[in-house]
Amino acid sequence: GAVVSQHPSWVICKSGTSVKIECRSLDFQATTMFWYRQFPKQSLMLMATSNEGSKATYEQGVEKDKFLINHASLTLSTLTVTSAHPEDSSFYICSARRVNQPQHFGDGTRLSIL
Amino acid sequence: KQEVTQIPAALSVPEGENLVLNCSFTDSAIYNLQWFRQDPGKGLTSLLLIQSSQREQTSGRLNASLDKSSGRSTLYIAASQPGDSATYLCAVINAGSSNTGKLIFGQGTTLQVKP
Repeated sequence: GAVVSQHPSWVICKSGTSVKIECRSLDFQATTMFWYRQFPKQSLMLMATSNEGSKATYEQGVEKDKFLINHASLTLSTLTVTSAHPEDSSFYICSARRVNQPQHFGDGTRLSIL
Repeated sequence: KQEVTQIPAALSVPEGENLVLNCSFTDSAIYNLQWFRQDPGKGLTSLLLIQSSQREQTSGRLNASLDKSSGRSTLYIAASQPGDSATYLCAVINAGSSNTGKLIFGQGTTLQVKP
C-alpha cells in the first residue's frame, strides 16, 4: 500500500514553455503533498508543502509564480514550471502523506529544458 | 536551525563486508528519524523509521540506531551485496513539525558494493 505515482518520468521541452508534473496517491488520501527539487549528487531540497484545498506554503527562495502548485483533491497535486528556462532543469520529486503518517515518495521527474 | 550531516559522502566496499553509515543532527528535539534508499534517477524508498522514544529498528540485514541526546544515528548493513549499491539518505522531523511532517535531509552517502 501507500503508492505514489508521478508523471511524466522524463520530459524535454524548449525554453519558454510551461511544464506540468502530476503527483497522485494511488491507494490513499493524501492530506499533504510535498514537492522537492534535487540537483545532481545533492540531497533533496523542499520547494513547497501543499494541503488539499488550500494554498501551498513555499520555502524561502522558491518563486511561487515560477513554480505553481495545485492540490485540488486528496489524491492529486500538480507542479507547473512556468516559462521554463535551462536553469530550471532538474530532478523533481513529490511525496504524499496522510495525517501523522510518513511521507511516501514518487519516482521523480527528470526535466530538461533546451 | 536543524542541520543533518552524513559521513562519509561516499563509500566503496567489497561484497560481504559489514558497514556503518553515520548521520548526525544538531537539534536533539526530533519527532522521528528515517533512513531512505535512493537508486540513480529514482525516488526514495523508506528503509527504517525510528520514533524519538526508540533506540533502534531492524529490518532484515539493516539495523538503525538512534541516540537522540548525542544527535546521532547509524545505519548498519550486514553482509553487504552489490544490490545494496545506492545512495542512503537520513532525514529527521523536528518535534515542532510533527503536524506538517516536514523532513530535513542529510546530503546522503553513496555506497558502492563491489562484487
